Amino acid sequence: EPEVTQTPSHQVTQMGQEVILRCVPISNHLYFYWYRQILGQKVEFLVSFYNNEISEKSEIFDDQFSVERPDGSNFTLKIRSTKLEDSAMYFCASKLEKLFFGSGTQLSVL
Amino acid sequence: KQEVTQIPAALSVPEGENLVLNCSFTDSAIYNLQWFRQDPGKGLTSLLLIQSSQREQTSGRLNASLDKSSGRSTLYIAASQPGDSATYLCAVMRAGTASKLTFGTGTRLQVTL
Repeated sequence: EPEVTQTPSHQVTQMGQEVILRCVPISNHLYFYWYRQILGQKVEFLVSFYNNEISEKSEIFDDQFSVERPDGSNFTLKIRSTKLEDSAMYFCASKLEKLFFGSGTQLSVL
Repeated sequence: KQEVTQIPAALSVPEGENLVLNCSFTDSAIYNLQWFRQDPGKGLTSLLLIQSSQREQTSGRLNASLDKSSGRSTLYIAASQPGDSATYLCAVMRAGTASKLTFGTGTRLQVTL
């Protein structure tokens, strides 16, 4: 079965550093998403992306965050200046109809 | 604002029992509802998707029902097995082609031998 692939599986960074989380969505999917889950909390929506632009974003997705689909296969989430509270599991997802999630990137900001 | 609630928060059952997990949502204007499974430290695996026009979906030992007007869904697991131990998440998508999913807090299930 096709799957959404995320790299790296774990990322440790210093506060204030930039990080880029990478995702390869399922090839024929049209909608792309980033979600995050802080330890012990709900999975939260960050942003949705369709037709090469952001279609919706949450209040969490402030100016420190950006997304890009630089080519036909990759979908990236950039955090410009990480904060301690950005530590979470970040999930990429894609869909045609049903949403498929990647296995996540555990981001730890020290 | 859509709120999704799942009860119970945790459940422990002996192997072989049938069980029901509950999900409720406050805004009935949904496009679909999905049940996911999450293993510790892992990603989300989609189990069942129910469109707003459907009443239920079945996959193997799993059956999910949807009552949109009352804002409720149930996930029924038949003949539970230790391998079913995981957190089960309910999520709703509002009407709109690229809309976000709103997740519940999950039910942590443990099936004991």
